Amino acid sequence: DAMVIQNPRYQVTQFGKPVTLSCSQTLNHNVMYWYQQKSSQAPKLLFHYYDKDFNNEADTPDNFQSRRPNTSFCFLDIRSPGLGDAAMYLCATSRDRESNQPQHFGDGTRLSIL
Amino acid sequence: GDSVTQMEGPVTLSEEAFLTINCTYTATGYPSLFWYVQYPGEGLQLLLKATKADDKGSNKGFEATYRKETTSFHLEKGSVQVSDSAVYFCARSDQTGANNLFFGTGTRLTVIP
Repeated sequence: DAMVIQNPRYQVTQFGKPVTLSCSQTLNHNVMYWYQQKSSQAPKLLFHYYDKDFNNEADTPDNFQSRRPNTSFCFLDIRSPGLGDAAMYLCATSRDRESNQPQHFGDGTRLSIL
Repeated sequence: GDSVTQMEGPVTLSEEAFLTINCTYTATGYPSLFWYVQYPGEGLQLLLKATKADDKGSNKGFEATYRKETTSFHLEKGSVQVSDSAVYFCARSDQTGANNLFFGTGTRLTVIP
């Protein structure tokens, strides 16, 4: 089945130690998104790629960066994780950027900071 | 201000009870509207959607109607099951062409046997 896969499901890192989360998709969608979801809150969009075009949300901290080396893969890099960055990170895709296109989510990576 | 306002939870219902989760939105035009469901430890799954006024989205016994006049998209199900226990998120699309989603705060539903 076509799907969005996030690895790992659980990630533990130390305060200030860089960490990378990965997302892959077999849907061949043009758009890939990264969301941050803190406990009992709604997902918050960090940024998205439309093909190779990177679009950062205005309030996304500089500590968060992303790479999309090809259509299938997208990475979230956290350069110096702080305790406040502990959250579930969700990757999503959509076929295009038209507003009626649903987004397809992976199961998320839960990040813990020691 | 908030773009999507959802009924606060948690909501606890007995099996076979009727479910309504209210959702209203603010927008200058006509966004697409979605309901997503999140089961424990998992990502979000699209439950249903509606892309224009008076559209009714439906899936797995859940329904929601796009009401332009009341700017609402309330989720309903006639008879809930224990397996429906999850967090439900109402969302609207961004109208600037970026297809970003604005989510409500989520409503946790627990169905007891």
